Amino acid sequence: GNSVTQMEGPVTLSEEAFLTINCTYTATGYPSLFWYVQYPGEGLQLLLKATKADDKGSNKGFEATYRKETTSFHLEKGSVQVSDSAVYFCALSGPMDTGRRALTFGSGTRLQVQP
Amino acid sequence: ETGVTQSPTHLIKTRGQQVTLRCSSQSGHNTVSWYQQALGQGPQFIFQYYREEENGRGNFPPRFSGLQFPNYSSELNVNALELDDSALYLCASSLNPGDTYEQYFGPGTRLTVT
Repeated sequence: GNSVTQMEGPVTLSEEAFLTINCTYTATGYPSLFWYVQYPGEGLQLLLKATKADDKGSNKGFEATYRKETTSFHLEKGSVQVSDSAVYFCALSGPMDTGRRALTFGSGTRLQVQP
Repeated sequence: ETGVTQSPTHLIKTRGQQVTLRCSSQSGHNTVSWYQQALGQGPQFIFQYYREEENGRGNFPPRFSGLQFPNYSSELNVNALELDDSALYLCASSLNPGDTYEQYFGPGTRLTVT
């Protein structure tokens, strides 16, 4: 079945540091890949997406490239801010064993950025 | 444009009771999906509704059921509540059920079962 594995947190960084959150996936066929962010007490917000191999999704300084050969979709940002502190979820959308489609999420990585 | 809304925000129920959670989809979206997010975990897919029909189901027992109405709003019903049902329940809507369509999430309903 479909699965997403992402690095465990928390990840603690100083402001302006470089961020990488690793994400790898297992899926049938060619899924679409997403990063969602969840701020404290809120629902999920779509951060970026990529729908085919070698696509790069980007938003608010965050980037991730769909790597089919390594089944990865790592999230990166060159300079984090305190306001980036949140939980980040990697997800894929693709056919389940039943043939239906749904989002499959990783377990989330908490990012803490210190001033 | 109104985003996805959910009600109630918080709910406390007793084991064995029944609960109904509600979701209004984003304007123009005909697909609604429900997810359960346990504390410290990623969301788990419960089921999806497309044009008032169930369009896929995750690994949840039949006591989790749903409805979608002609205006595409949706309900999640859970019967015979168990302690493990305590979680944040998220509703998400999308323009269509295909893979490339983003799902937009509501703020969630926090359910506590005692």
